[in-house]
Amino acid sequence: DVKVTQSSRYLVKRTGEKVFLECVQDMDHENMFWYRQDPGLGLRLIYFSYDVKMKEKGDIPEGYSVSREKKERFSLILESASTNQTSMYLCASSPQTPYGYTFGSGTRLTVV
Amino acid sequence: GENVEQHPSTLSVQEGDSAVIKCTYSDSASNYFPWYKQELGKRPQLIIDIRSNVGEKKDQRIAVTLNKTAKHFSLHITETQPEDSAVYFCAARLAGNTPLVFGKGTRLSVIA
Repeated sequence: DVKVTQSSRYLVKRTGEKVFLECVQDMDHENMFWYRQDPGLGLRLIYFSYDVKMKEKGDIPEGYSVSREKKERFSLILESASTNQTSMYLCASSPQTPYGYTFGSGTRLTVV
Repeated sequence: GENVEQHPSTLSVQEGDSAVIKCTYSDSASNYFPWYKQELGKRPQLIIDIRSNVGEKKDQRIAVTLNKTAKHFSLHITETQPEDSAVYFCAARLAGNTPLVFGKGTRLSVIA
């Protein structure tokens, strides 16, 4: 009963490529989030969205952009991938009221 | 903005002993405090949460306590088992529809 689906589990991309990470949720949640997870640094917020076509920068937005054309889908875009963007990327969703997130399984991106 | 500190970063306990992980937060306006468990290679999953109008919450072998005056909250796991071995993240959320701010995580190892 997977509720937040990330399109790829593992990705290997070349430096300079444009990379798309897709996330889809089937819980009709208003909020969606992109985090990256690195050892010793925990979960750092990249971008989030509270509604369709709405986006807000998180703590580390540089080098990333997002798109939310439909309520259930939130895409993370690496405009020009760099080796320091090698990481685990986690998507999450939540309802508007203060409940916890449901996370996707993550995409482990390696940029070579 | 909110800042969450989590200690310890690693914790080893003998099976059957108790484990305690502590988090402090900076903004007294935070009102929601979830805990996530992330097993190796898996997504973070919500295990327990507490709101600011409650001092303690328990669910079988896990409990969370909140001290609003001191601005800290703790996760308590009793009668630990090998399957409790994982990384645990605490988080805090300001009032309103704002993103969670995560601690850096605690790697718990339960030694059989």
